[in-house]
Amino acid sequence: DTAVSQTPKYLVTQMGNDKSIKCEQNLGHDTMYWYKQDSKKFLKIMFSYNNKELIINETVPNRFSPKSPDKAHLNLHINSLELGDSAVYFCASSPRGVRNSPLHFGNGTRLTVT
Amino acid sequence: KQEVTQIPAALSVPEGENLVLNCSFTDSAIYNLQWFRQDPGKGLTSLLLIQSSQREQTSGRLNASLDKSSGRSTLYIAASQPGDSATYLCAVKRQAGTALIFGKGTTLSVSS
Repeated sequence: DTAVSQTPKYLVTQMGNDKSIKCEQNLGHDTMYWYKQDSKKFLKIMFSYNNKELIINETVPNRFSPKSPDKAHLNLHINSLELGDSAVYFCASSPRGVRNSPLHFGNGTRLTVT
Repeated sequence: KQEVTQIPAALSVPEGENLVLNCSFTDSAIYNLQWFRQDPGKGLTSLLLIQSSQREQTSGRLNASLDKSSGRSTLYIAASQPGDSATYLCAVKRQAGTALIFGKGTTLSVSS
């Protein structure tokens, strides 16, 4: 069973389009995250949701809008895609308040904007 | 602002060697520190998590240490194997409820 699953795995699209990436976790975790890994492999936090509530919102263009319909899902919608949005986007989850529980990551979505 | 640095950026060793990967962080006020492994085209797999009150954690051939006062952690891999080839990432959490801040990783290649 896949604990944190993201779809699609690959996404190729043109500049200006709007696209969504879906994430689901079956671990019963309360907190979910979106991370961006750039071409230099640097992972940076974008958003964090806890029980459908936004708790972390780093300096991310407002073209990026996360949506959490329930605590098991955190989707990422991107409007007006730009070349610089090309990256690998990782979803992750963790239980809230459990100090020794590590972060669980999905396998990533490789977004290519042409 | 917390910054995490990993040295070296890349490392190549022959099979069987013991090796050490280094991680340093600028703010010693951390909640925990985690080491991850990333294989090409895959997500991250958690290897070890050290709470701020702990000095080290061990799992099989892996041992991670934490020295908060000096802002350093090391990941020791004993008797390396080709299957250990991957990128190893260090990340720190400033406090509960905050996100992990990652280093840029060390890419390890173990040759048979």
